[in-house]
Amino acid sequence: GNSVTQMEGPVTLSEEAFLTINCTYIATGYPSLFWYVQYPGEGLQLLLKATKADDKGSNKGFEATYRKETTSFHLEKGSVQVSDSAVYFCALIVSNFGNEKLTFGTGTRLTIIP
Amino acid sequence: DARVTQTPRHKVTEMGQEVTMRCQPILGHNTVFWYRQTMMQGLELLAYFRNRAPLDDSGMPKDRFSAEMPDATLATLKIQPSEPRDSAVYFCASGFWDTSYEQYFGPGTRLTVT
Repeated sequence: GNSVTQMEGPVTLSEEAFLTINCTYIATGYPSLFWYVQYPGEGLQLLLKATKADDKGSNKGFEATYRKETTSFHLEKGSVQVSDSAVYFCALIVSNFGNEKLTFGTGTRLTIIP
Repeated sequence: DARVTQTPRHKVTEMGQEVTMRCQPILGHNTVFWYRQTMMQGLELLAYFRNRAPLDDSGMPKDRFSAEMPDATLATLKIQPSEPRDSAVYFCASGFWDTSYEQYFGPGTRLTVT
Protein backbone atom coordinates (compact mmCIF):
# COMPACT_ATOMS: atom_id res chain seq x y z
CA GLY A 1 0.00 0.00 0.00
CA ASN A 2 0.89 3.68 -0.06
CA SER A 3 2.32 5.51 2.91
CA VAL A 4 3.94 8.81 3.88
CA THR A 5 6.42 9.28 6.70
CA GLN A 6 7.04 12.73 8.02
CA MET A 7 9.58 14.21 10.34
CA GLU A 8 8.40 14.00 13.92
CA GLY A 9 7.41 17.24 15.52
CA PRO A 10 6.99 19.60 17.06
CA VAL A 11 9.62 21.79 15.45
CA THR A 12 10.48 25.14 17.01
CA LEU A 13 12.64 27.66 15.18
CA SER A 14 13.57 31.29 15.54
CA GLU A 15 12.36 33.80 12.99
CA GLU A 16 14.55 33.95 9.85
CA ALA A 17 15.92 30.45 10.45
CA PHE A 18 16.16 27.88 7.64
CA LEU A 19 13.45 25.25 7.65
CA THR A 20 13.49 21.65 6.48
CA ILE A 21 10.66 19.22 7.14
CA ASN A 22 11.47 15.73 5.89
CA CYS A 23 8.98 13.60 4.01
CA THR A 24 9.53 10.18 2.48
CA TYR A 25 7.01 7.96 0.79
CA ILE A 26 6.20 4.46 -0.35
CA ALA A 27 3.91 4.23 -3.36
CA THR A 28 2.70 1.66 -5.83
CA GLY A 29 3.04 3.38 -9.16
CA TYR A 30 4.02 6.99 -9.84
CA PRO A 31 2.56 9.36 -7.29
CA SER A 32 1.84 13.04 -7.32
CA LEU A 33 3.15 14.68 -4.16
CA PHE A 34 1.71 17.50 -2.09
CA TRP A 35 2.35 19.66 0.93
CA TYR A 36 -0.70 20.97 2.77
CA VAL A 37 -0.64 23.51 5.60
CA GLN A 38 -3.15 23.86 8.43
CA TYR A 39 -3.24 27.12 10.37
CA PRO A 40 -4.83 27.10 13.84
CA GLY A 41 -8.59 26.65 13.71
CA GLU A 42 -8.69 26.22 9.94
CA GLY A 43 -8.90 23.49 7.34
CA LEU A 44 -5.96 22.28 5.29
CA GLN A 45 -4.73 24.40 2.39
CA LEU A 46 -2.69 23.20 -0.53
CA LEU A 47 0.76 24.75 -0.22
CA LEU A 48 2.55 23.21 -3.19
CA LYS A 49 2.68 20.11 -5.33
CA ALA A 50 4.82 18.19 -7.82
CA THR A 51 3.53 15.64 -10.28
CA LYS A 52 6.65 13.97 -11.64
CA ALA A 53 10.23 13.20 -10.76
CA ASP A 54 12.58 16.21 -10.46
CA ASP A 55 9.67 18.66 -10.46
CA LYS A 56 9.98 21.45 -7.92
CA GLY A 57 6.85 22.82 -6.31
CA SER A 58 7.03 26.31 -4.80
CA ASN A 59 4.73 28.77 -3.10
CA LYS A 60 5.05 31.55 -0.49
CA GLY A 61 8.80 31.00 -0.25
CA PHE A 62 8.44 27.26 0.39
CA GLU A 63 9.94 24.71 -1.98
CA ALA A 64 9.97 20.94 -2.33
CA THR A 65 11.59 18.77 -5.01
CA TYR A 66 10.21 15.38 -6.06
CA ARG A 67 13.14 12.99 -5.65
CA LYS A 68 12.29 9.63 -7.11
CA GLU A 69 15.69 8.08 -6.34
CA THR A 70 15.31 8.76 -2.62
CA THR A 71 11.46 8.66 -2.58
CA SER A 72 11.46 12.02 -0.82
CA PHE A 73 9.69 15.36 -0.98
CA HIS A 74 11.28 17.50 1.72
CA LEU A 75 9.81 20.92 2.44
CA GLU A 76 12.24 23.86 2.72
CA LYS A 77 12.11 27.58 3.33
CA GLY A 78 15.09 29.86 3.54
CA SER A 79 13.82 32.30 6.15
CA VAL A 80 10.75 31.50 8.22
CA GLN A 81 8.36 34.00 9.73
CA VAL A 82 6.12 33.88 12.77
CA SER A 83 3.15 33.62 10.39
CA ASP A 84 4.49 30.27 9.12
CA SER A 85 3.56 28.66 12.45
CA ALA A 86 1.16 25.87 11.50
CA VAL A 87 0.91 22.12 10.98
CA TYR A 88 2.37 20.84 7.71
CA PHE A 89 1.16 17.64 6.03
CA CYS A 90 2.93 15.74 3.29
CA ALA A 91 0.61 13.71 1.06
CA LEU A 92 0.61 11.60 -2.07
CA ILE A 93 -1.87 10.30 -4.58
CA VAL A 94 -1.49 7.55 -7.15
CA SER A 95 -3.61 7.41 -10.27
CA ASN A 96 -6.07 4.52 -9.93
CA PHE A 97 -8.67 4.70 -12.70
CA GLY A 98 -10.71 7.37 -11.01
CA ASN A 99 -10.52 5.92 -7.52
CA GLU A 100 -7.73 8.09 -6.21
CA LYS A 101 -7.41 8.98 -2.54
CA LEU A 102 -4.88 11.20 -0.83
CA THR A 103 -2.58 9.45 1.64
CA PHE A 104 -1.46 11.90 4.33
CA GLY A 105 1.46 11.89 6.69
CA THR A 106 0.85 12.49 10.38
CA GLY A 107 1.67 16.19 10.20
CA THR A 108 4.53 18.25 11.63
CA ARG A 109 3.72 21.11 13.97
CA LEU A 110 5.97 24.12 13.35
CA THR A 111 6.29 27.00 15.79
CA ILE A 112 8.31 30.08 14.93
CA ILE A 113 9.37 32.32 17.79
CA PRO A 114 10.21 36.00 17.26
CA ASP B 1 -12.92 33.71 -3.80
CA ALA B 2 -14.73 30.37 -3.89
CA ARG B 3 -14.63 28.37 -0.66
CA VAL B 4 -16.01 25.21 0.84
CA THR B 5 -18.43 26.06 3.63
CA GLN B 6 -19.39 23.85 6.55
CA THR B 7 -22.11 24.15 9.17
CA PRO B 8 -22.20 24.16 12.09
CA ARG B 9 -18.67 25.22 12.99
CA HIS B 10 -19.07 23.87 16.51
CA LYS B 11 -21.46 21.31 17.95
CA VAL B 12 -21.78 20.03 21.49
CA THR B 13 -24.21 17.21 22.03
CA GLU B 14 -24.98 14.44 24.45
CA MET B 15 -24.26 10.80 23.82
CA GLY B 16 -27.06 9.12 21.91
CA GLN B 17 -28.20 12.23 20.05
CA GLU B 18 -28.24 12.54 16.27
CA VAL B 19 -25.73 14.90 14.69
CA THR B 20 -25.90 16.24 11.15
CA MET B 21 -23.04 18.15 9.56
CA ARG B 22 -23.43 19.99 6.28
CA CYS B 23 -21.04 20.97 3.55
CA GLN B 24 -21.41 23.17 0.51
CA PRO B 25 -18.67 22.30 -2.00
CA ILE B 26 -17.19 24.80 -4.40
CA LEU B 27 -19.47 25.32 -7.38
CA GLY B 28 -18.34 23.19 -10.31
CA HIS B 29 -16.40 20.67 -8.23
CA ASN B 30 -17.50 17.10 -8.86
CA THR B 31 -15.77 15.29 -6.00
CA VAL B 32 -16.49 15.69 -2.28
CA PHE B 33 -14.59 14.14 0.62
CA TRP B 34 -15.34 13.78 4.33
CA TYR B 35 -12.39 13.56 6.74
CA ARG B 36 -12.12 13.26 10.49
CA GLN B 37 -9.19 14.68 12.44
CA THR B 38 -8.21 13.69 15.98
CA MET B 39 -5.00 14.01 17.92
CA MET B 40 -4.70 10.24 18.26
CA GLN B 41 -5.60 9.11 14.74
CA GLY B 42 -4.63 12.15 12.72
CA LEU B 43 -6.52 12.73 9.47
CA GLU B 44 -8.80 9.88 8.36
CA LEU B 45 -10.81 9.67 5.15
CA LEU B 46 -14.38 8.66 5.97
CA ALA B 47 -16.10 8.76 2.59
CA TYR B 48 -16.09 10.41 -0.79
CA PHE B 49 -18.40 11.10 -3.70
CA ARG B 50 -17.95 11.73 -7.39
CA ASN B 51 -20.78 13.39 -9.29
CA ARG B 52 -22.91 12.83 -6.15
CA ALA B 53 -22.42 9.05 -6.25
CA PRO B 54 -20.64 7.42 -3.29
CA LEU B 55 -17.29 5.98 -4.40
CA ASP B 56 -15.84 4.81 -1.14
CA ASP B 57 -17.13 4.84 2.41
CA SER B 58 -14.85 2.15 3.79
CA GLY B 59 -13.43 4.53 6.39
CA MET B 60 -16.78 5.14 7.99
CA PRO B 61 -18.35 3.14 10.86
CA LYS B 62 -21.39 1.89 8.95
CA ASP B 63 -23.59 1.19 11.93
CA ARG B 64 -23.82 4.81 13.03
CA PHE B 65 -22.45 7.02 10.26
CA SER B 66 -24.06 7.90 6.96
CA ALA B 67 -23.05 10.29 4.20
CA GLU B 68 -25.17 11.60 1.37
CA MET B 69 -25.26 14.19 -1.39
CA PRO B 70 -28.88 15.15 -1.90
CA ASP B 71 -27.79 17.59 -4.61
CA ALA B 72 -24.63 19.02 -6.11
CA THR B 73 -24.53 21.91 -3.64
CA LEU B 74 -24.97 19.93 -0.42
CA ALA B 75 -23.20 17.04 1.24
CA THR B 76 -24.24 15.73 4.64
CA LEU B 77 -22.61 13.54 7.26
CA LYS B 78 -24.88 12.11 9.91
CA ILE B 79 -24.06 10.28 13.13
CA GLN B 80 -26.84 8.41 14.89
CA PRO B 81 -26.46 7.69 17.73
CA SER B 82 -23.42 9.75 18.64
CA GLU B 83 -20.79 8.52 21.10
CA PRO B 84 -18.01 10.32 23.01
CA ARG B 85 -15.39 8.66 20.78
CA ASP B 86 -16.90 10.55 17.82
CA SER B 87 -15.55 13.82 19.25
CA ALA B 88 -13.28 15.23 16.55
CA VAL B 89 -13.04 17.88 13.87
CA TYR B 90 -14.84 16.84 10.69
CA PHE B 91 -13.65 18.34 7.43
CA CYS B 92 -15.30 18.44 4.06
CA ALA B 93 -13.15 18.94 0.98
CA SER B 94 -14.04 19.30 -2.68
CA GLY B 95 -12.21 19.18 -5.97
CA PHE B 96 -12.65 18.87 -9.70
CA TRP B 97 -11.17 15.48 -10.27
CA ASP B 98 -8.73 15.78 -13.10
CA THR B 99 -5.03 14.96 -13.01
CA SER B 100 -4.35 17.86 -10.66
CA TYR B 101 -6.03 15.99 -7.78
CA GLU B 102 -6.27 19.23 -5.81
CA GLN B 103 -8.57 19.28 -2.82
CA TYR B 104 -10.00 22.39 -1.15
CA PHE B 105 -10.89 22.01 2.50
CA GLY B 106 -13.64 23.65 4.48
CA PRO B 107 -13.04 25.14 7.95
CA GLY B 108 -14.34 22.06 9.71
CA THR B 109 -17.01 21.21 12.27
CA ARG B 110 -15.70 20.66 15.78
CA LEU B 111 -17.90 18.02 17.41
CA THR B 112 -17.91 17.32 21.11
CA VAL B 113 -20.03 14.45 22.39
CA THR B 114 -20.46 14.37 26.18
